[in-house]
Amino acid sequence: ILNVEQSPQSLHVQEGDSTNFTCSFPSSNFYALHWYRWETAKSPKALFVMTLNGDEKKKGRISATLNTKEGYSYLYIKGSQPEDSATYLCAAPSNNDMRFGAGTRLTVKP
Amino acid sequence: DAEITQSPRHKITETGRQVTLACHQTWNHNNMFWYRQDLGHGLRLIHYSYGVQDTNKGEVSDGYSVSRSNTEDLPLTLESAASSQTSVYFCASSPGSYSRGYTFGSGTRLTVV
Repeated sequence: ILNVEQSPQSLHVQEGDSTNFTCSFPSSNFYALHWYRWETAKSPKALFVMTLNGDEKKKGRISATLNTKEGYSYLYIKGSQPEDSATYLCAAPSNNDMRFGAGTRLTVKP
Repeated sequence: DAEITQSPRHKITETGRQVTLACHQTWNHNNMFWYRQDLGHGLRLIHYSYGVQDTNKGEVSDGYSVSRSNTEDLPLTLESAASSQTSVYFCASSPGSYSRGYTFGSGTRLTVV
């Protein structure tokens, strides 16, 4: 069973701060790594799907990097805004299933 | 626009009752999934389907069943609801490749009293 771990569990930052958090996964039999953004009372929305070692994806102020050899991905948010407050999930395929991490809950204070 | 919808949004039921949660997608995705979300556990897979007439058990399938009679629908049935099944349930779909993200429904909050 593939364990996808995320850290930290929660994060509080001030508006304008840049921040990052980590997703770790077993590096053997890697296929893909997904990042999702999950706002309270809504459903998770796909942010990035990453498949190649060294891959870097960017969407506005949010970017992600991938290291498949050591089994981790970083999500970066530059100049955090209150609307970035959400839980950020990562997930990786395992045995015909998508294994989700428990998420990092980000709160951006105005 | 294509979408994935779940119904009902909220439901309260009594212990022992049979309950069915609906999931309908118009993406024409082959793969459909049911997850439950509980504090401290994140999203856990209940059942999934890779196409019509295909169903498979996930990590926490006990007490649940699904059927897939067409591409669009994957209803989730709780055979005899238990308080431990109080949770928020999410349906998701994907086109069939892990190189594409999942599309999630808005969730159903189920309370078993």
